[in-house]
This record gives sequence, structure tokens and C-alpha cells, in this order.
Amino acid sequence: GAGVSQSPSNKVTEKGKDVELRCDPISGHTALYWYRQSLGQGLEFLIYFQGNSAPDKSGLPSDRFSAERTGGSVSTLTIQRTQQEDSAVYLCASSLNIGGGELFFGEGSRLTVL
Amino acid sequence: GQNIDQPTEMTATEGAIVQINCTYQTSGFNGLFWYQQHAGEAPTFLSYNVLDGLEEKGRFSSFLSRSKGYSYLLLKELQMKDSASYLCAVSLNTGGFKTIFGAGTRLFVKA
Repeated sequence: GAGVSQSPSNKVTEKGKDVELRCDPISGHTALYWYRQSLGQGLEFLIYFQGNSAPDKSGLPSDRFSAERTGGSVSTLTIQRTQQEDSAVYLCASSLNIGGGELFFGEGSRLTVL
Repeated sequence: GQNIDQPTEMTATEGAIVQINCTYQTSGFNGLFWYQQHAGEAPTFLSYNVLDGLEEKGRFSSFLSRSKGYSYLLLKELQMKDSASYLCAVSLNTGGFKTIFGAGTRLFVKA
């Protein structure tokens, strides 16, 4: 597509439920990132997919968080047994090269855990 | 650890010049980026520095000193629409590559 697409744009869930957030990067971009942004805060790195190499999962806050990228394209971020502190905007970004470069962001998925 | 610092908030007057500083302590430096983020929107790319010196792009300039771990973003002829958060980000090469962000500087432009 023309840009990075994320869905859903808004998700309200109850504490303890699982959620899946989807990211469709720009076609041909080999690098894909997930970040989390709480209200008024900066971007917290979660995970980075770099081509065919093993992903860098060093930013995932707990084992309730996982992500996969199928076929080098679409990525899904899964949060199991959601907690209220998981409420945030989850931003996906893609980059043409894995060696660093400009990031193109999606509009984000706003997650609210009640 | 990896650390990026920038001021939380700044206020400036329309038509003026403002400089937003960023200091970083990182290993495996691979370049520094500035992004602009308007409230409720996604960040958008402003500038990239990998070598020391000044990069100029219209009303926006960005400077880097790798030896000092320091960068600044200079905005000239401020406009009301420049009110936004400005995010300093560092690309790291630590075996793999990833980009980490500072907390952002919220700029308020007043008439």
C-alpha cells in the first residue's frame, strides 16, 4: 500500500482479555518496528523485525507480549491477559533497509483496557 | 544502557528561532534522527545526521557532534503550525539495528 496501515485504530477491551493488533507495512520495506506511546510520553521500543534475521525482542515488557511477522510483510502484536497499564497507543513503523533509515509510521492503534 | 535526553517543554514566539537540544549516551551509534509529532498523529521524519555538522532543510536545521553525544534541531521563522512534539531518535548498530527515541520535547508557539 501507499503507507503503513494499522488496525484496529481503536480497541477497548476488558482486563484479562487478549488483543491482537495488526500492521501492514509499506511494500518492500524489510524492517518493521513496534513502539508503545503512553499519553504525553515518548516512544517505547517494543520489538524490531529485521529481514530474515531473528527479531530483536528486547523491548517487550513481559511475556504477555508477543509479535510475529509472516512472510516478511504483515505483523501482528498480541497482548495476552491485558492489564490496565497496557493502555496506550501502539505504533508500527517500517523502513526500507535493515541497516537503519527513515521510519514511516502508521496512525497507531489506541488500546484502552478497562 | 542507552539513554537519550531532551527538554520536556519549550515555548517560543511566532516568527522567532528556537533550538531544541538532545544529548545521548549510546553504544553502536549509527545516526540521529529528528521526528515531528502533532497531537494525536503519527511521527513524521524531519532530518537525519550521521556525520558531524549541520544539515539544513528549509526552515529546519539539525546539528550533530558525535564526540559530545549532542544534537540540536533549529527551527527558524516559527509558525503556529510548528506547535508539536519533536522527537530525537538514535539508530543503533549493536549486532542488529534498531532505533530508539527520547521522550520528546513539546513545543508551544505563541502569537
